[in-house]
Amino acid sequence: GAVVSQHPSWVICKSGTSVKIECRSLDFQATTMFWYRQFPKQSLMLMATSNEGSKATYEQGVEKDKFLINHASLTLSTLTVTSAHPEDSSFYICSAPNSGIVSYEQYFGPGTRLTVT
Amino acid sequence: AQSVTQLGSHVSVSEGALVLLRCNYSSSVPPYLFWYVQYPNQGLQLLLKYTSAATLVKGINGFEAEFKKSETSFHLTKPSAHMSDAAEYFCAVTPGRGADGLTFGKGTHLIIQP
Repeated sequence: GAVVSQHPSWVICKSGTSVKIECRSLDFQATTMFWYRQFPKQSLMLMATSNEGSKATYEQGVEKDKFLINHASLTLSTLTVTSAHPEDSSFYICSAPNSGIVSYEQYFGPGTRLTVT
Repeated sequence: AQSVTQLGSHVSVSEGALVLLRCNYSSSVPPYLFWYVQYPNQGLQLLLKYTSAATLVKGINGFEAEFKKSETSFHLTKPSAHMSDAAEYFCAVTPGRGADGLTFGKGTHLIIQP
């Protein structure tokens, strides 16, 4: 149990276009999901907290108009990279705690590799 | 606020030798601590977690870690390294019960020499 999926697993897009990444909790509900980005050979940096039914909370330095987050249901959060540029190329990973139990664990998706050409 | 420091961006050990990956944390509230492993081009896999119960935590694949409040440390160990342990290891901290995002250390690349 406690599986988180991401789609797509990798995507290549042209500069200036937008890309949507989905994060789904497959067997549990998640009122909160988290989005991280990871540059090559670097650590994960928290970008934003996605809240079901309300606005996302962005970390300092993350452009909310560029990285649009929508958490429309208890099992789905989406991250849209708008007007993507090469510097947005990165590995994007989502995670979610199980809202139904008292748990300290977050379950991570397999990640989405975005390459902007 | 919280932070994590992982000493040593690269650690190399011989197969069968002890693995020790260091993690020190800073937190203004009692922390919850985690160790994750990441293989190339993959997501994160949880090795073990400290959630204020036992200070010595056992995880998967023979790894364990000890929470030492006085030293603000949560070092990861494994008695005998295996070639399959070669990967990137991340220590992470969160102040909340899953309601807060994780703060990660910079990671330690573990190299296993035959």
